[in-house]
Amino acid sequence: QKEVEQDPGPLSVPEGAIVSLNCTYSNSAFQYFMWYRQYSRKGPELLMYTYSSGNKEDGRFTAQVDKSSKYISLFIRDSQPSDSATYLCAALNTGFQKLVFGTGTRLLVSP
Amino acid sequence: ETGVTQSPTHLIKTRGQQVTLRCSSQSGHNTVSWYQQALGQGPQFIFQYYREEENGRGNFPPRFSGLQFPNYSSELNVNALELDDSALYLCASSLGQASGANVLTFGAGSRLTVL
Repeated sequence: QKEVEQDPGPLSVPEGAIVSLNCTYSNSAFQYFMWYRQYSRKGPELLMYTYSSGNKEDGRFTAQVDKSSKYISLFIRDSQPSDSATYLCAALNTGFQKLVFGTGTRLLVSP
Repeated sequence: ETGVTQSPTHLIKTRGQQVTLRCSSQSGHNTVSWYQQALGQGPQFIFQYYREEENGRGNFPPRFSGLQFPNYSSELNVNALELDDSALYLCASSLGQASGANVLTFGAGSRLTVL
C-alpha cells in the first residue's frame, strides 16, 4: 500500500465549476500536508500547505485535512482553464526529510 | 531572486552509461533534495544534501549518488543506467532541512531517456 493514495484522473470540468481533489494517507506520523500544481514540462509549484488538521483558504483555493480519517482535500472555486494541470498532494513527517507524494490528479477545465 | 535551475533539460543515454545532472539552488537556500518522477507518477525522494553531506535517502540503490558544493549547488550521478531510470529528475531547494515551514522550491527538471 502506498503511503499517499490519489486518483490519477483525468478529471474534466466546465469553466466555473467547483473542483474537489482528494487524497488519503496511511502514515499517522505525517504532520504537514501540501498541494502542488504541476504544469506540463514544469516542476511542481507549491499551492498550499497545512499543519495537522484543519482548513486553510487562499483566494479560490481551500485545503482541508482530516487526520481522524487520514483524508486530504483541495477545493478550487470558480475553476478556470488556466487551472488545467496535474495536482499533487504530499505529506511530511516532522524530523524526516522526504516529501511523500501521491500519484497526482490531472485536471482539465474546459472553456 | 533566481529560482532553482537544472541542466540539462533533456538528455538521452543508453543502458549501462553514466549520467550527471546539475542543480543550482534558489538564492539563500542551503539544502537540496532530489526526486525522481516517472511518467504518470508522483515524485519519489532520492536523497537530500545539507551542508555538503547526504542527509536522508529514499529507496534508491547506491548507483544513485550526489554531491553538494560550497555554493549549495548540487549534482546527481547515476551509474550503470537501466531502462527504468527513464524519468524526470527534479531538484528542490529549501532553507534548512525540510519541514512544513521550510518550503521546497522545485526546478523544472531534467528529463532522462534511457534506450
